[in-house]
Amino acid sequence: DGGITQSPKYLFRKEGQNVTLSCEQNLNHDAMYWYRQDPGQGLRLIYYSQIVNDFQKGDIAEGYSVSREKKESFPLTVTSAQKNPTAFYLCASSLIQGARGYGYTFGSGTRLTVV
Amino acid sequence: GENVEQHPSTLSVQEGDSAVIKCTYSDSASNYFPWYKQELGKRPQLIIDIRSNVGEKKDQRIAVTLNKTAKHFSLHITETQPEDSAVYFCAAKKGEYGNKLVFGAGTILRVKS
Repeated sequence: DGGITQSPKYLFRKEGQNVTLSCEQNLNHDAMYWYRQDPGQGLRLIYYSQIVNDFQKGDIAEGYSVSREKKESFPLTVTSAQKNPTAFYLCASSLIQGARGYGYTFGSGTRLTVV
Repeated sequence: GENVEQHPSTLSVQEGDSAVIKCTYSDSASNYFPWYKQELGKRPQLIIDIRSNVGEKKDQRIAVTLNKTAKHFSLHITETQPEDSAVYFCAAKKGEYGNKLVFGAGTILRVKS
């Protein structure tokens, strides 16, 4: 997956259950991001991290939590507080060098369904 | 904060014709503008990008133009092929530390053969 791996590919969650989505990269990228994509919709930022042990809320952080204990890993937990979690979740990573811009490398995504 | 608007939301063209997708941004300090292609059920992939010190960039059948005065940038695809059918996203990055992109809402491109 071009150096960034998401697992699992499909995930089913029961009502009231927390689930964790995995995202691992071997690109030596400083920054990692989580996006949510609903059918026919754009990319909405959940959380992002520019350095280990630090992360910031995106536009739709409520009901989600993250950690960044290692540079390579940025897991996303979908908590029971997220009332409508069914969506396609995309993880991405990128370089950071001051204010210079860089493209993101995306993982192949996790499709989460509430059953 | 930065806001990116993308038009049109859907675009249908005949195979061989050109397609143009336009994005406008709000922050005049934005300095980096990538374009992504997302095929159905797959991940977005970077297809071309442009920095604020360049007005145009080409890569085979695709090109991007940037007008900093008007704060808009456009994706041009020439000689479209059925495999160009996908959702295209533009994005902009503010000219500040970090690499947080703001994405447009996407354009569904359909190339009819």
